[in-house]
Amino acid sequence: AQTVTQSQPEMSVQEAETVTLSCTYDTSESDYYLFWYKQPPSRQMILVIRQEAYKQQNATENRFSVNFQKAAKSFSLKISDSQLGDAAMYFCAQAGYSTLTFGKGTMLLVSP
Amino acid sequence: DGGITQSPKYLFRKEGQNVTLSCEQNLNHDAMYWYRQDPGQGLRLIYYSQIVNDFQKGDIAEGYSVSREKKESFPLTVTSAQKNPTAFYLCASSPPPGTQDYGYTFGSGTRLTVV
Repeated sequence: AQTVTQSQPEMSVQEAETVTLSCTYDTSESDYYLFWYKQPPSRQMILVIRQEAYKQQNATENRFSVNFQKAAKSFSLKISDSQLGDAAMYFCAQAGYSTLTFGKGTMLLVSP
Repeated sequence: DGGITQSPKYLFRKEGQNVTLSCEQNLNHDAMYWYRQDPGQGLRLIYYSQIVNDFQKGDIAEGYSVSREKKESFPLTVTSAQKNPTAFYLCASSPPPGTQDYGYTFGSGTRLTVV
């Protein structure tokens, strides 16, 4: 069975600062993907960043980057130059061959 | 534009009623999924289908049923056997793993409330 754990129910950051959201996972599959999704108050799920487990290089998307530690089964998200629009619930998720398993989420608060 | 359409946006159910949530996609994805979201619980998988006329139970399938008669459509029925159906329901679809830009695409959700 797949499990995803987000140990930070809530994080706060000031505009223009950097914040890191933590995620650990457990899976018996050798080939898988990891994702971070953002859910703003509209509740629309938005894909932030994707990491393929077989790739050593950490994924980056503009101000968003990950620190993927495969042996430790850790997948943290770093948001640089935080903006007010980054305020949302962030979900870490792991996809095996057939389904996507989510963590319980981290609420990110951004203050001016 | 390709995407996933869920309807209705809000749905109210009386005790003992069955209700059906609609999910339609025009992304040509083979796989479709239903998730339930409760406060503090993240998203939990109800049912999924990887091909037409076939579907599998997820982690919390009791009290729910689905059908997959067409590739584009994956409706979810919340039956009277579901004792606590008030929640936010999200439908998703995905291409096969290994596809370029692989990921799950989500609809905008249906908020179901028991009255």
